[in-house]
Amino acid sequence: IAGITQAPTSQILAAGRRMTLRCTQDMRHNAMYWYRQDLGLGLRLIHYSNTAGTTGKGEVPDGYSVSRANTDDFPLTLASAVPSQTSVYFCASSARTGGADTQYFGPGTRLTVL
Amino acid sequence: GENVEQHPSTLSVQEGDSAVIKCTYSDSASNYFPWYKQELGKRPQLIIDIRSNVGEKKDQRIAVTLNKTAKHFSLHITETQPEDSAVYFCAARSGGGADGLTFGKGTHLIIQP
Repeated sequence: IAGITQAPTSQILAAGRRMTLRCTQDMRHNAMYWYRQDLGLGLRLIHYSNTAGTTGKGEVPDGYSVSRANTDDFPLTLASAVPSQTSVYFCASSARTGGADTQYFGPGTRLTVL
Repeated sequence: GENVEQHPSTLSVQEGDSAVIKCTYSDSASNYFPWYKQELGKRPQLIIDIRSNVGEKKDQRIAVTLNKTAKHFSLHITETQPEDSAVYFCAARSGGGADGLTFGKGTHLIIQP
């Protein structure tokens, strides 16, 4: 069982380019999340999905979009990358049934926008 | 929305001593408070969590306390060891449909030998 995986591990991207960060979980968790982590700012929620077919905006959604076509996958797309989107991106998932609140994090994607 | 403040930003303690990290939150509807440990270059890992209907929870050397009236919660680590050195994050989850966590900015815990 892999748990939760992310791809790519790292990426250098030119400003203005489109980029999709991939996230896949094999735990059949209902809920999935995207966070960005910046030094001194902790982790901030970008978008979330409580169940397949639904998504919601978090604290810092501007410039990002997500989709949740199925339970396992939750891609994050930057339509036109800007340098301020340089960050480490973490995907997470949680069961959210039966009182299971724990969020499990993926290994992260380090993105640099030049 | 929810706002979580975490203090201190850096904490240095002697090996064997106790460490305490404190967080406050703003949304009285928040009902779940996890603590994560993150080592350099790694993903955050849950170490302990507490729900709003519980005042204290312990797991070996770590404990979390919650004061709902004052809207603050704390992480206590006793008999600190070198492997406890890491960045610790508190978080809160608001009630309702918005399901993600709001994190504090983190505490860098340094265990001095």
